[in-house]
Amino acid sequence: DAGITQSPRHKVTETGTPVTLRCHQTENHRYMYWYRQDPGHGLRLIHYSYGVKDTDKGEVSDGYSVSRSKTEDFLLTLESATSSQTSVYFCAIRIIRDTEAFFGQGTRLTVV
Amino acid sequence: GENVEQHPSTLSVQEGDSAVIKCTYSDSASNYFPWYKQELGKRPQLIIDIRSNVGEKKDQRIAVTLNKTAKHFSLHITETQPEDSAVYFCAAGGGADGLTFGKGTHLIIQP
Repeated sequence: DAGITQSPRHKVTETGTPVTLRCHQTENHRYMYWYRQDPGHGLRLIHYSYGVKDTDKGEVSDGYSVSRSKTEDFLLTLESATSSQTSVYFCAIRIIRDTEAFFGQGTRLTVV
Repeated sequence: GENVEQHPSTLSVQEGDSAVIKCTYSDSASNYFPWYKQELGKRPQLIIDIRSNVGEKKDQRIAVTLNKTAKHFSLHITETQPEDSAVYFCAAGGGADGLTFGKGTHLIIQP
């Protein structure tokens, strides 16, 4: 599992509330990613990070922010959750650029 | 940015037959093309990958081919087995930016 842990694994929250998802890795890899997975859309990139305090936007970044203050943690925040953000969120790491991405177990988020 | 199209969305084959899934990509700078398998409720896991300097790669019953000129790549599974039933995703990328994924193919192996 490349030492990746996502928390929480499941969360139900109300519209308008802030939510933070955590991705923790134990092996100090530089490249970390957040994806969301929805039926019929595959996996879509939200944000990614090249290292501490070095982040960039992906394809579907609106409504999301990220932070990486330590190499091992990459946090995804929904400032004000909406029903359209109900999804399964996967964190991923890459050991070296241009190589495979290893995925965490996923977080199922439901916004009601 | 990169755009990846994947076909078909659903593929049903008889056990023992072959399955082929096709993907096209748009960005000629992409140089890395992985394929992932995802079982229900699980995380995506890499099954095979290919780089732009290689035309074909095999691993037992699985093979991937790449045509850089036409910007398409394909996954071939021979002698399909029940455990091959899953959703398969192709992806494309270059550098450290995130991979761009296709929308997935639900492969069904009929007994």
